[in-house]
Amino acid sequence: AQTVTQSQPEMSVQEAETVTLSCTYDTSENNYYLFWYKQPPSRQMILVIRQEAYKQQNATENRFSVNFQKAAKSFSLKISDSQLGDTAMYFCAFMTANAGGTSYGKLTFGQGTILTVHP
Amino acid sequence: GAVVSQHPSRVICKSGTSVKIECRSLDFQATTMFWYRQFPKQSLMLMATSNEGSKATYEQGVEKDKFLINHASLTLSTLTVTSAHPEDSSFYICSHRESNYGYTFGSGTRLTVV
Repeated sequence: AQTVTQSQPEMSVQEAETVTLSCTYDTSENNYYLFWYKQPPSRQMILVIRQEAYKQQNATENRFSVNFQKAAKSFSLKISDSQLGDTAMYFCAFMTANAGGTSYGKLTFGQGTILTVHP
Repeated sequence: GAVVSQHPSRVICKSGTSVKIECRSLDFQATTMFWYRQFPKQSLMLMATSNEGSKATYEQGVEKDKFLINHASLTLSTLTVTSAHPEDSSFYICSHRESNYGYTFGSGTRLTVV
């Protein structure tokens, strides 16, 4: 079974600063995908960024980037130039896939990190 | 991307009554829908997977008779909380998996049982 661990229950950052959220996972699978989801106060789950395990290059989406360390099973999220709208609960998530990419497992979530951006 | 419409967004019901939550796929056909439960400031816990035209698959510990899932068409999956009690009060979310891209989530339903 896969597990996802987010060791930071709460984080805070000043507006315009940079913050990094940690995530580690445990799996014996070789093919999988990793995600960061954001859940703002509205509670709508929003995909922030995704990473394919077979890609060594770290994914980036504008101000959001990840540091994917496959051997260490680490998948941290860096938010640059933090904005007030980044205030939300962030979830790291894991999904297995078969080698052909035609079959996928369930989405396993970490415990979440509540991020507060202060003005 | 895919859009999942979930209704109602909030519902208050009396203890002992049943509540139905609907999730509709607006611009795609969903053969599978996932149902999650979330308590405040906690993670999402998968309750069950609904499959169009067949029985839902429930996670261990989830009461099948309390949480009835129906997926009668390719655009509608429903979760019915039967004989609701205050401990069933929670936030319920449905989602659809878009291949390897990720999951699209409904906006959630806040259920309060009084």
